[in-house]
Amino acid sequence: EIVLTQSPGTLSLSPGERATLSCRASQSLSSNYLAWYQQKPGQAPRLLIYAASSRATGIPDRFSGSGSGTDFTLTIRRLEPEDFAVYYCQQYGRSLTFGGGTKVEIK
Amino acid sequence: QVQLVQSGAEVKKPGASVKVSCKASGYSFTGHYLHWVRQAPGQGLEWMGWMNPNGGDTDTAQKFQGRVTMTSDTSISTAYMELSRLRSDDTAVYFCARVGYSLSPFNAFDVWGQGTMVTVSS
Repeated sequence: EIVLTQSPGTLSLSPGERATLSCRASQSLSSNYLAWYQQKPGQAPRLLIYAASSRATGIPDRFSGSGSGTDFTLTIRRLEPEDFAVYYCQQYGRSLTFGGGTKVEIK
Repeated sequence: QVQLVQSGAEVKKPGASVKVSCKASGYSFTGHYLHWVRQAPGQGLEWMGWMNPNGGDTDTAQKFQGRVTMTSDTSISTAYMELSRLRSDDTAVYFCARVGYSLSPFNAFDVWGQGTMVTVSS
C-alpha cells in the first residue's frame, strides 16, 4: 500500500498569506496520479487538483499543484477567508489512499 | 445538476448491519465508477472500495473484505453499500463519490455525496 504523509499537520496563517502544503508518497506515483481535496466542517470533500497539477472545474487560480514522483505540493497563493479548512492529498496510481490531512487555520 | 444524494443517519447496535444508499442524478449513472469513503469523528478519510454500476464489478480495500457489499440498482440510479458485523469503531460518516470520466476505477473524485452518519452503539 502506498502511504501518503502530509505536512505540516497544522498551518497557522493570516488571510492574504501564501500557504504551502506538502504530500510525500512512500513510493513513486505513476503518471503523477495525485489529487488534492478541501474539506470544511460538516461538508464533503471538494476536488481542487487532479493529476498533480490540473485544477478541477471552478477552482480559483490561487490554488496550484506541483510535484512528481514522491513529492507533491499544494500552494494557495493568497489565502482568502473561505480557504481555511482541512486539505487532503489522495493517490490513485496504485489502488487508492489518502494522506492524513493538513489543517489550515487562521493565525 | 450533477449530484449524489445519500440516505439519512443510522444508529445500529454492535454486530448488526447497515445499508447506505447513494442516488445519482444529472448524469449517466452507468458511465462512472463510484467509490465509498468513510471518516471517523475528527479523523481523516479512509477509502473502502469501488463499484462499477455498469456491470456490477466491485473491489474492496483489504481492511473491509468480507464485511462490505456494494451493489446498485440501475433502474433508479442508486448505489448501495452494506457494512456487516458492525463495531463501535465503524462509527463514522460514510461518503459515496464519483470518479470523473475515466477508463479506470482509480481516478480523482469529482462529485461527492453529502455523507451519511452511522453510529454504532449498544
